Amino acid sequence: GAVVSQHPSRVICKSGTSVKIECRSLDFQATTMFWYRQFPKQSLMLMATSNEGSKATYEQGVEKDKFLINHASLTLSTLTVTSAHPEDSSFYICSANYVGGETQYFGPGTRLLVL
Amino acid sequence: AQTVTQSQPEMSVQEAETVTLSCTYDTSESNYYLFWYKQPPSRQMILVIRQEAYKQQNATENRFSVNFQKAAKSFSLKISDSQLGDTAMYFCALIAGGSEKLVFGKGTKLTVNP
Repeated sequence: GAVVSQHPSRVICKSGTSVKIECRSLDFQATTMFWYRQFPKQSLMLMATSNEGSKATYEQGVEKDKFLINHASLTLSTLTVTSAHPEDSSFYICSANYVGGETQYFGPGTRLLVL
Repeated sequence: AQTVTQSQPEMSVQEAETVTLSCTYDTSESNYYLFWYKQPPSRQMILVIRQEAYKQQNATENRFSVNFQKAAKSFSLKISDSQLGDTAMYFCALIAGGSEKLVFGKGTKLTVNP
């Protein structure tokens, strides 16, 4: 149980385009989903917390107009990187927790490369 | 504010031996949870073990066990009978109070040598 999927696993795009990453909880309902960014050899950096049906809460320094998050249902959250630039290239990971739970289960991550 | 400190950036162990990874934390909350996550080269974050602060008994999951010293705010992970597949980054993490946010340590890179 507690499986989280992410799609795509890898994406290469041109500078200026937008990229959408999906995060799904496959076998449980998730009231809260989290989006992280991870630079090489570093820990995870929380970008935002999203709750189903409400606006995401962004961490300080994260541009909400650049990283659009939509939590449309209890099993799906999406992160859209708008007008991507090379500095947005990174590894993006989502996580989700059970309704009322505190343990986060992570997706496999998405490698984004912006050329 | 909550903090998590992992003082060992890298460690190595021989296959079949035992290794202990250190983690200390700081929080003023009385209700909190501690976690160890593993991130192998695939970069998939995998939950290894979790500990509720109110439980005195140390959590155990097969070859993985923790030494939870609440007064010292220490939460070390012991891996017994190390296997090559245990090679990974290990992150200690904390959720405290009513927060949903995980606070991560910087990680320890563990290499299991044949």
